[in-house]
Amino acid sequence: EAQVTQNPRYLITVTGKKLTVTCSQNMNHEYMSWYRQDPGLGLRQIYYSMNVEVTDKGDVPEGYKVSRKEKRNFPLILESPSPNQTSLYFCASSREGARFGNTEAFFGQGTRLTVV
Amino acid sequence: GEDVEQSLFLSVREGDSSVINCTYTDSSSTYLYWYKQEPGAGLQLLTYIFSNMDMKQDQRLTVLLNKKDKHLSLRIADTQTGDSAIYFCAESMGEAGNEKLTFGTGTRLTIIP
Repeated sequence: EAQVTQNPRYLITVTGKKLTVTCSQNMNHEYMSWYRQDPGLGLRQIYYSMNVEVTDKGDVPEGYKVSRKEKRNFPLILESPSPNQTSLYFCASSREGARFGNTEAFFGQGTRLTVV
Repeated sequence: GEDVEQSLFLSVREGDSSVINCTYTDSSSTYLYWYKQEPGAGLQLLTYIFSNMDMKQDQRLTVLLNKKDKHLSLRIADTQTGDSAIYFCAESMGEAGNEKLTFGTGTRLTIIP
């Protein structure tokens, strides 16, 4: 079954304690991205990756890091989480970048992060 | 700015039609999308429209595109309780090799029995 898998689904952590949210896709997609969803703000892109070892900042990258060592995995790293990073996070993958034809983005189930 | 705007809430009686509106900013967007987010789940592509089209119909869904006004709408005929969700419009933006999807704020559709 084609899917994007995020872990964990829920996480409560304390300010400053490093954490990683994993994302894996089994569709051999080149393009992967991370979004955060906040009430009234929709989805905002944090980072994206066009391919292995190619990553770039989205609209709200501050406080986050990513890596793309393998095609299937795209972890999101919070080196020193703060309360303003409390949010619902989604990983997404697609066959290629959004502009190349009808490129459906497949989303993970989401990770609800609370930083206290 | 790169804003895609939607109303936050819409309530519709079961059996009526729902119309969700969206305005976007990038006139060069090639494709425009509607995604559906059910409670506790990620987003799923509902439908899309190519920018040289005015309308697309897919069963109960009708997408209308007014490129001059940069206005996109999604009409759901005979709205059912299973249509309760948040609906996001999205446009593709950016130069080739650096493109991304920009999402609206989402419209929460509530069905009244």
